[in-house]
Amino acid sequence: AQSVAQPEDQVNVAEGNPLTVKCTYSVSGNPYLFWYVQYPNRGLQFLLKYITGDNLVKGSYGFEAEFNKSQTSFHLKKPSALVSDSALYFCAVRDGRDSSYKLIFGSGTRLLVRP
Amino acid sequence: DTGVSQNPRHKITKRGQNVTFRCDPISEHNRLYWYRQTLGQGPEFLTYFQNEAQLEKSRLLSDRFSAERPKGSFSTLEIQRTEQGDSAMYLCASSSHDREGGRSPLHFGNGTRLTVT
Repeated sequence: AQSVAQPEDQVNVAEGNPLTVKCTYSVSGNPYLFWYVQYPNRGLQFLLKYITGDNLVKGSYGFEAEFNKSQTSFHLKKPSALVSDSALYFCAVRDGRDSSYKLIFGSGTRLLVRP
Repeated sequence: DTGVSQNPRHKITKRGQNVTFRCDPISEHNRLYWYRQTLGQGPEFLTYFQNEAQLEKSRLLSDRFSAERPKGSFSTLEIQRTEQGDSAMYLCASSSHDREGGRSPLHFGNGTRLTVT
């Protein structure tokens, strides 16, 4: 069975500082990994994905994520946080062998960037 | 690309009533997914369609829930005899069939928030 863990309910960071939002996953087959962001009363917006290849992937709004196979992790990072980055972030995994293409989501991490 | 559209945005209903939600996916997407999100949790998979065929249903989808996609375009999700535990955000997502095997992200609508009183 597929699963995703986001160990931090909330991450606090000062504007201009680097941020990291943690994610670990478990799948039987090859992992396809995704990050989404959610603003209040809105749906999820896609940020970036890892399918194969370079372990560091870049996405929207200056975000990037690093895939680590040995640690089964896919942490989201940004070199310099903005107040406008404050939102709810979800990590998701898809088993590469699952023909449904459904995503399994973590419980989310609230990012709070203080001015 | 006008995005995934969901209606209504909000629905308040009394326990025991039936409700129906609609989702219009991105026009060229042949796959459509329904998720449920409760407060403080991530989205949970309910069911998905490829064209008009419903190919998988989660155990979360009790027999009070039914979803359809009659012409392979829009979809409806109906909840019969609503219960207070059904209160949640119901999210719809769509994606295109990818020959490389599921590399495309899901594109989500803004959801329908259901409150059962």
